[in-house]
Amino acid sequence: ETGVTQTPRHLVMGMTNKKSLKCEQHLGHNAMYWYKQSAKKPLELMFVYSLEERVENNSVPSRFSPECPNSSHLFLHLHTLQPEDSALYLCASSQDWRNTIYFGEGSWLTVV
Amino acid sequence: GENVEQHPSTLSVQEGDSAVIKCTYSDSASNYFPWYKQELGKRPQLIIDIRSNVGEKKDQRIAVTLNKTAKHFSLHITETQPEDSAVYFCAATANAGNMLTFGGGTRLMVKP
Repeated sequence: ETGVTQTPRHLVMGMTNKKSLKCEQHLGHNAMYWYKQSAKKPLELMFVYSLEERVENNSVPSRFSPECPNSSHLFLHLHTLQPEDSALYLCASSQDWRNTIYFGEGSWLTVV
Repeated sequence: GENVEQHPSTLSVQEGDSAVIKCTYSDSASNYFPWYKQELGKRPQLIIDIRSNVGEKKDQRIAVTLNKTAKHFSLHITETQPEDSAVYFCAATANAGNMLTFGGGTRLMVKP
C-alpha cells in the first residue's frame, strides 16, 4: 500500500563491506529523506533532498553517503560501518520539504 | 530551531480506557502538527494531523487538541483496543522553512 519502497528490507554486513540501500517513491513527491531509527534515538534525521539538491545533512559521519539521481530515487551508500550503526533506516518522501512525510517500510541493517 | 518534547515515554492502559499523549514545542511559528503511529516492525504511519488555525480535530476514536498559547498539543485515544498498541510520535513544523521535528515517541500498551 505504501508509495515508498525500500530494498533490501534486511541487510547484514561486515565492517569492511560496502553496500547500498535503495529507496523509490511513486507519489510524485519532490523531497526525500533518510532517517535512522534505533533504541537510543527513535527518529533521527540524516539527510534531506529537495528537487535532487541536498537541503540538510545533520552531521552524519562520512561513512554514510547519500545519492539522489532524480526525484524518485534515493540511495544510501554504506562503507566501513561500525556495530553501533546497526539500526532501522527509514526512507521517506513528501510533496516538499515542509509537508507531511510518508515513510517506507525501512531497511534493517546489522553490522557485524 | 524547533525542539519537541513528548510525554510519557511509555503508557500502559486497560482495554476500553482512554490514553493521552502530550507534546510541547518551542518554535512559536510552528503551525503544522502531525501524529504518527508505528506498530512493531513496521513503518511510521500518519494517523491524524492538525494545523494552527483549529484547536481540535477528531477522527473516530482519536482526537488531537492544540493550545498555541501554551505551545502544546495532545493526542487522545478513546475506547482503546489491543491493536492501538504501538509507538506514537508527534511532530511539529513551521511553513516558514523548518522541517518536521519529531518528539521522542511514546510506547502505548493496551492490556486486554
